[in-house]
Amino acid sequence: DIQMTQSPSSLSASVGDRVTITCQASQDISKELNWYQQKPGKAPKLLIYDASNLEIGVPSRFSGSGSGTDFTFTISSLQPEDIATYYCQQYDNLPLTFGGGTKVEIK
Amino acid sequence: EVQLVESGGGSVQPGGSLRLSCAASGFTFSSCALSWVRQAPGKGLEWVSGVSGGGSSTFYADSVRGRFTISRDNSKNTLYLQMNSLRAEDTAIYFCARHLTGHWLIDYWGQGTLVTVSS
Repeated sequence: DIQMTQSPSSLSASVGDRVTITCQASQDISKELNWYQQKPGKAPKLLIYDASNLEIGVPSRFSGSGSGTDFTFTISSLQPEDIATYYCQQYDNLPLTFGGGTKVEIK
Repeated sequence: EVQLVESGGGSVQPGGSLRLSCAASGFTFSSCALSWVRQAPGKGLEWVSGVSGGGSSTFYADSVRGRFTISRDNSKNTLYLQMNSLRAEDTAIYFCARHLTGHWLIDYWGQGTLVTVSS
């Protein structure tokens, strides 16, 4: 199974700050990586697919980069509505596997 | 608009069984693989099982293989998960998820149904 190591597990930042989350795969997954946002009591929402493609309707302050084993997710200017837990997920191979999540809070 | 609506969750004793359903609409059902993904209370996401668009290929996480069975009825646009020999560690919200055609990329999720296994 491909292990996804996501860090940090939580962070606190101010409105307007740049926020960066990293995800490392245990083997090469090319660009087959998603980033999801999950708010409490809600289903995950797809933000970024194929490592760097922004899903339709998602604000441009969200972005992703990387390939192979190392990936980065960035919120360029944190907004109050961005408070959520963010997950990376690989779909290169079954079983699909997720990172442990990053809980983003406002300082 | 793509919609996935889960049902069938509830409370069950260890060793018991439960059948989840996911009613889909807004897309060509048979064109898309589907999966069940679960989330234990306060924990992260865990893929449980997947099925191809035609239903002939099924896939399972090691943690549920031999206990859970995924199936679909393309005439009813419905996905199922039969869960037998339930354990306390199966307690979770179970989400139905759609895969982009030809991909294992998940693009839509249902709202989930809660399964609680407790004596």
